[in-house]
Amino acid sequence: EVQLLESGGGLVQPGGSLRLSCAASGFTFSNYAMNWVRQAPGKGLEWISGFSGGGGSTHYADSVKGRFTISRDNSQNTLYLQMNSLRADDTAIYYCARDRNIGMVGIFDYWGQGTLVTVSS
Amino acid sequence: EILLTQSPATLSLSPGERATLSCRASQSVISYLAWYQHKPGQAPRLLISDASNRATGIPARFTGSGSGTDFTLTISSLEPEDFAVYYCQQRNNWPYTFGQGTKLEIK
Repeated sequence: EVQLLESGGGLVQPGGSLRLSCAASGFTFSNYAMNWVRQAPGKGLEWISGFSGGGGSTHYADSVKGRFTISRDNSQNTLYLQMNSLRADDTAIYYCARDRNIGMVGIFDYWGQGTLVTVSS
Repeated sequence: EILLTQSPATLSLSPGERATLSCRASQSVISYLAWYQHKPGQAPRLLISDASNRATGIPARFTGSGSGTDFTLTISSLEPEDFAVYYCQQRNNWPYTFGQGTKLEIK
């Protein structure tokens, strides 16, 4: 059974940093691209970053480019999101989502239940 | 960035009724459109990929159609577990974008 478990969320002050993790199980992690999608309070879903399974390419939404860094450790079956220079509008539930392919094709076939990040003073 | 507009924002129906949800793209996404179901506190669930391909384990009452800029998700006969928020999402252009969602609520 495919499982994705996010962790690392919490309360952080504006300008602060946080690192999210997504532990994957039930599939060969290195064979799939992985993504982060977030949902701000009362808002819809927003794709923010992806990392191909081959380890070659990463992509970011403009809203996080230069502040967030996606990475993965295929030996630990874990996806990460390093978030720096956090702002109030980064407050959201952050979901880890598996792409259907080793390359980024944008079909998210499995999702975690999310971890809440709150940016507030 | 491609804007996806979903309508209606809220749809109130009874179990057994037919639901029709719409998603319109600001430019053609060809057929690269997916639909997801999201219930509070749960992980989103892929229903339909590439406009009309049901994902594994999705019941036949869920049907996706459309191409270009206009897409529809139809639920033929609503079951109690179908009441949720539904999102469309395009993968034709970077960045991937989602619609704002349609809340399907019990009437």
